[in-house]
Amino acid sequence: DVKVTQSSRYLVKRTGEKVFLECVQDMDHENMFWYRQDPGLGLRLIYFSYDVKMKEKGDIPEGYSVSREKKERFSLILESASTNQTSMYLCASSSLAGGTYNEQFFGPGTRLTVL
Amino acid sequence: LAKTTQPISMDSYEGQEVNITCSHNNIATNDYITWYQQFPSQGPRFIIQGYKTKVTNEVASLFIPADRKSSTLSLPRVSLSDTAVYYCLAGGSSNTGKLIFGQGTTLQVKP
Repeated sequence: DVKVTQSSRYLVKRTGEKVFLECVQDMDHENMFWYRQDPGLGLRLIYFSYDVKMKEKGDIPEGYSVSREKKERFSLILESASTNQTSMYLCASSSLAGGTYNEQFFGPGTRLTVL
Repeated sequence: LAKTTQPISMDSYEGQEVNITCSHNNIATNDYITWYQQFPSQGPRFIIQGYKTKVTNEVASLFIPADRKSSTLSLPRVSLSDTAVYYCLAGGSSNTGKLIFGQGTTLQVKP
């Protein structure tokens, strides 16, 4: 069974802290993505990676960075957390191959609150 | 990656058929149309994808007219558990697999 896991379901951090959100997939997928989801704004792409050590900015990369040292793991880093980064963070992965184009598999999400 | 437009919300009753229409006027030749479903406190999950005409699976049907500028997701005989947000996406196959999610349609099924 396809699986994407995220390190925490809920996280509370203080302004200025460095925050790491971890995502692991067990499907040997090439592509991995980080989104944030806010009420009324849908899912917005922060960063994505199509290979180890490769990354590209999404629509809202400001205030975030990412790391992909291994194929199965994609980390989202908030260098100095701010209150406007309070949100639901969703990780997803997809394969280059397969009959369904670009089907993404999502993790359960991490609800981050920055105080 | 084509921009899509869909209703913000819809209401239905149990046992009814629900049709959610999505507009994608600028769809490109190699774009597929994909629908995702998201329950509260979960990530979205893929439900159906098509290129043209009609696609049916165990969950839903997808109708795409010849000009491909719109598509309709059809959910037969909905139940309370179909209450969710439904996202319509139009995108082509690419190495990056990047997709653009809009706000989606919040479907509320009532008893």
